[in-house]
Amino acid sequence: SAVISQKPSRDICQRGTSLTIQCQVDSQVTMMFWYRQQPGQSLTLIATANQGSEATYESGFVIDKFPISRPNLTFSTLTVSNMSPEDSSIYLCSVESPNSGTDTQYFGPGTRLTVL
Amino acid sequence: AQKVTQAQTEISVVEKEDVTLDCVYETRDTTYYLFWYKQPPSGELVFLIRRNSFDEQNEISGRYSWNFQKSTSSFNFTITASQVVDSAVYFCALSEATGFQKLVFGTGTRLLVSP
Repeated sequence: SAVISQKPSRDICQRGTSLTIQCQVDSQVTMMFWYRQQPGQSLTLIATANQGSEATYESGFVIDKFPISRPNLTFSTLTVSNMSPEDSSIYLCSVESPNSGTDTQYFGPGTRLTVL
Repeated sequence: AQKVTQAQTEISVVEKEDVTLDCVYETRDTTYYLFWYKQPPSGELVFLIRRNSFDEQNEISGRYSWNFQKSTSSFNFTITASQVVDSAVYFCALSEATGFQKLVFGTGTRLLVSP
């Protein structure tokens, strides 16, 4: 499986500010995914990021609030913009295994965000 | 629409007990994947198993075993002789087998194993 790292691992932010989360993979992958896990809840897909194209957002998530970049095959960023306390969550990136055909997503360690 | 139901919110057992985590799914797809992930207190999501909808064979990996039954749309997970290190939240998930693999997660079952 791929080795995935995320930065920062956690942060405490003030209302109205923005935070950019980085996701780095140790091998080239086609698709990267961003998920949100609100406190005590399950994971919800925010968007899918393919290199070289615009991210595809799920219902309820918009680009203005969660802009995503995917500049190359090993890196992506998710920005949480104009934050409110409701944005306090764990944000996780995931990738499909670089071994084609395995169709399994592996997750990064997550970024714990607290908005005051 | 796809849906995954994990009816057990929290299960508490004593070490060495066997425990089964239930997962029931809904999908209109004929081909799909089912997954189990473990989320320990540290927060990372650890992949445990993937099962293709065409493969109904049960699988055993050490103390872990999975029972997939298409007839009842269930994919249950059993831990034999549980250990304290098994304490975590366990998520069942479902994805289509074509196109990009959007994972639909259940709400998770928190397992507490006490010594």
